[in-house]
Amino acid sequence: DTAVSQTPKYLVTQMGNDKSIKCEQNLGHDTMYWYKQDSKKFLKIMFSYNNKELIINETVPNRFSPKSPDKAHLNLHINSLELGDSAVYFCASRISLSETQYFGPGTRLLVL
Amino acid sequence: QQPVQSPQAVILREGEDAVINCSSSKALYSVHWYRQKHGEAPVFLMILLKGGEQKGHDKISASFNEKKQQSSLYLTASQLSYSGTYFCGTEGVTSGTYKYIFGTGTRLKVLA
Repeated sequence: DTAVSQTPKYLVTQMGNDKSIKCEQNLGHDTMYWYKQDSKKFLKIMFSYNNKELIINETVPNRFSPKSPDKAHLNLHINSLELGDSAVYFCASRISLSETQYFGPGTRLLVL
Repeated sequence: QQPVQSPQAVILREGEDAVINCSSSKALYSVHWYRQKHGEAPVFLMILLKGGEQKGHDKISASFNEKKQQSSLYLTASQLSYSGTYFCGTEGVTSGTYKYIFGTGTRLKVLA
């Protein structure tokens, strides 16, 4: 069974479109994250939710909006996609701060 | 603000040892280490919570000097499977705000 899953795995879209990436974890963890890994392989945290409540909101464009319908899901919606949004987006979860993080397989987003 | 890792890249022969360093300019209360293989998600290796704590399993160990805000990852008798990019993830509080920041990454290649 997959612990942290993301859909879709690949996403190719045109500039200006709106898209969503979904994340689900079946580990019973309280905290979930979204990370962006750019072409230089730098990993940067974007958002974190703890029990459906936003606890980290780094400086990202407000075109990015996370949504957590329940503790097991954290979706990422992106409006008006730009070329610079092309990256790999990872979802991760962990039971609490300072515990192991488990990453999803990543969503490779390409904006044309 | 991003923790700096050194070296940026290293090439080893099977059986050789390596040390990867992670240095932060901010006070830390934990450091996590991850390995990421090409096209895959980061995989957690270990977490260090206390100053001066050292952990390890098999032939990979790590230390954390809380006072110096530094951590080191030790790979002994390297195997081909050790190849990948290693990231440290640092946790701390800056200006009253919780921060989780990944290091710059170290690319490691083990040759037969």
